[in-house]
Amino acid sequence: GAGVSQSPRYKVAKRGQDVALRCDPISGHVSLFWYQQALGQGPEFLTYFQNEAQLDKSGLPSDRFFAERPEGSVSTLKIQRTQQEDSAVYLCASSRTGGTEAFFGQGTRLTVV
Amino acid sequence: GESVGLHLPTLSVQEGDNSIINCAYSNSASDYFIWYKQESGKGPQFIIDIRSNMDKRQGQRVTVLLNKTVKHLSLQIAATQPGDSAVYFCAENMAAAGNKLTFGGGTRVLVKP
Repeated sequence: GAGVSQSPRYKVAKRGQDVALRCDPISGHVSLFWYQQALGQGPEFLTYFQNEAQLDKSGLPSDRFFAERPEGSVSTLKIQRTQQEDSAVYLCASSRTGGTEAFFGQGTRLTVV
Repeated sequence: GESVGLHLPTLSVQEGDNSIINCAYSNSASDYFIWYKQESGKGPQFIIDIRSNMDKRQGQRVTVLLNKTVKHLSLQIAATQPGDSAVYFCAENMAAAGNKLTFGGGTRVLVKP
């Protein structure tokens, strides 16, 4: 497809379980972003990659959150020992170098029970 | 599916009327201001952006106004259609920060037929 693809669309995890969320950006897009969106709120920045380099991870809420983009394309957001407050929609976005228009995927809705 | 805007301010508008959505921003150093549209169960979709040195920009059926004196941004939608029903977010972008987005609070727009 031509857009940003995220999988899975929905994930239910038991508290304490580890999860991995995948993002396939638009081909050729250098920049990749992860955002967290709580219900009824705007997305909040988590982390940013330029190619395979993670240039900003200031938004990651704790050391349980880890993101990687080893080959500069697909990215994975991993959350270890999930807690209820991690329940949210996790959005991935990609953009061209220097581009202001970020293209978002549909998100992964994570529910921790 | 679940609504994105359960607790957001709501603007109800009659089909065919014009809509105006307002946003206050905080960072005077932002390079761009952007409006996104988010439908239920989907990621945010870029509508229009405006560079910080401009005060007005027009697109197809949309106009964005920027008032830097009072740090205010607005989105005007002409001849609102049922497909315009969604949650609208303003966002700030700083090139120096890798073009990461800082989202404001959203507004839900409901178009009445």
